[in-house]
Amino acid sequence: GENVEQHPSTLSVQEGDSAVIKCTYSDSASNYFPWYKQELGKGPQLIIDIRSNVGEKKDQRIAVTLNKTAKHFSLHITETQPEDSAVYFCAASGGETDSWGKLQFGAGTQVVVTP
Amino acid sequence: GAGVSQSPSNKVTEKGKDVELRCDPISGHTALYWYRQSLGQGLEFLIYFQGNSAPDKSGLPSDRFSAERTGGSVSTLTIQRTQQEDSAVYLCASSLAGGQYEQYFGPGTRLTVT
Repeated sequence: GENVEQHPSTLSVQEGDSAVIKCTYSDSASNYFPWYKQELGKGPQLIIDIRSNVGEKKDQRIAVTLNKTAKHFSLHITETQPEDSAVYFCAASGGETDSWGKLQFGAGTQVVVTP
Repeated sequence: GAGVSQSPSNKVTEKGKDVELRCDPISGHTALYWYRQSLGQGLEFLIYFQGNSAPDKSGLPSDRFSAERTGGSVSTLTIQRTQQEDSAVYLCASSLAGGQYEQYFGPGTRLTVT
């Protein structure tokens, strides 16, 4: 089945700097890649997603890029703010054995934005 | 509108006891998911319900775990004879339909087995 690896596990950035989180996936048939943000004590929330027919997607300060050949995708956060501090999870679905859109999550990245 | 709700928010139980965790999905969402999140870990898929179809139970870690979804709405996750390794946050999510739709997560139930 699908395996998703996420790096780094922790990321500390100064407010205003950019943050980049990278994920790799194993199943070349996967075609849907969402990113979820989890604040302390809350459930994860979708912040952006990308499908395999596009290479990049932006939404204000966040963007996701996808490299299907290399089987990796990345989350970019620009002009980071303290409220960006959270755990971020990447995920993938649509692989060979996926019959219903089952998400395989990465292990998460703890992002800390220091003022 | 109302999001996904879960109850209880916290549950402390003794090893060997049974527990029931409840999930109320967003009204009109046909798909419902349960995940387990151990301390500092990612989300481990447990079970998926979609409409009247047979659920995908492939993520349930043992036969002590079971789940029901009554009337296509409320779901209950039951853990029998709890073990210390069952301690985790149990997250429920729902989506408009099965497939690659946005999943809306509840706040989770933190289960502690002593």
